[in-house]
Amino acid sequence: EPEVTQTPSHQVTQMGQEVILRCVPISNHLYFYWYRQILGQKVEFLVSFYNNEISEKSEIFDDQFSVERPDGSNFTLKIRSTKLEDSAMYFCASSVGHPKAYEQYFGPGTRLTVT
Amino acid sequence: AQSVTQPDIHITVSEGASLELRCNYSYGATPYLFWYVQSPGQGLQLLLKYFSGDTLVQGIKGFEAEFKRSQSSFNLRKPSVHWSDAAEYFCVGVAGGGNKLTFGTGTQLKVEL
Repeated sequence: EPEVTQTPSHQVTQMGQEVILRCVPISNHLYFYWYRQILGQKVEFLVSFYNNEISEKSEIFDDQFSVERPDGSNFTLKIRSTKLEDSAMYFCASSVGHPKAYEQYFGPGTRLTVT
Repeated sequence: AQSVTQPDIHITVSEGASLELRCNYSYGATPYLFWYVQSPGQGLQLLLKYFSGDTLVQGIKGFEAEFKRSQSSFNLRKPSVHWSDAAEYFCVGVAGGGNKLTFGTGTQLKVEL
């Protein structure tokens, strides 16, 4: 069964460093998403991406964040200058698209620790 | 504001006992509702979904959920819990036609043998 994969599973970085989290969505899916979960808090929507552009983003997704689909298979989340409060589990998800864009399949997550 | 609430943070049940995890939603119109499960080290797996129609929906692993408009609830049930069901369960909603999921805080299920 096809699945969403994410690498690395755990990333440790120092404050101020740039990090790139990688995801490989399900191959025939058209919509891609990033969510995050700070320890002890809810899973929160960050951004959705379709047709090579951001379709929606939350207020969390500020200028420090960017997303990219650099090739036909990968979907990345970049944090330019990490802060302590960026420490969280980051989930990538994908969906086929309308009318089933809401039916999202999630990867196992990348735990980001900023020290 | 659109929201999903899971009032129970932790629940412990004995193996073989029945299970009900509570979820309440607050949306202007009837949302699409889901239950996801997350086992340690695993991703979020979709258990079941409700869009419209039958208010009792069946999912994978023997789970079911009932949509009750009058109570704004979408509770997850299983008649007999297995030790492998120990995990965190998330109730999730989305406004019809949207794709930005709103998660509840999750309920951690512990199964006693």
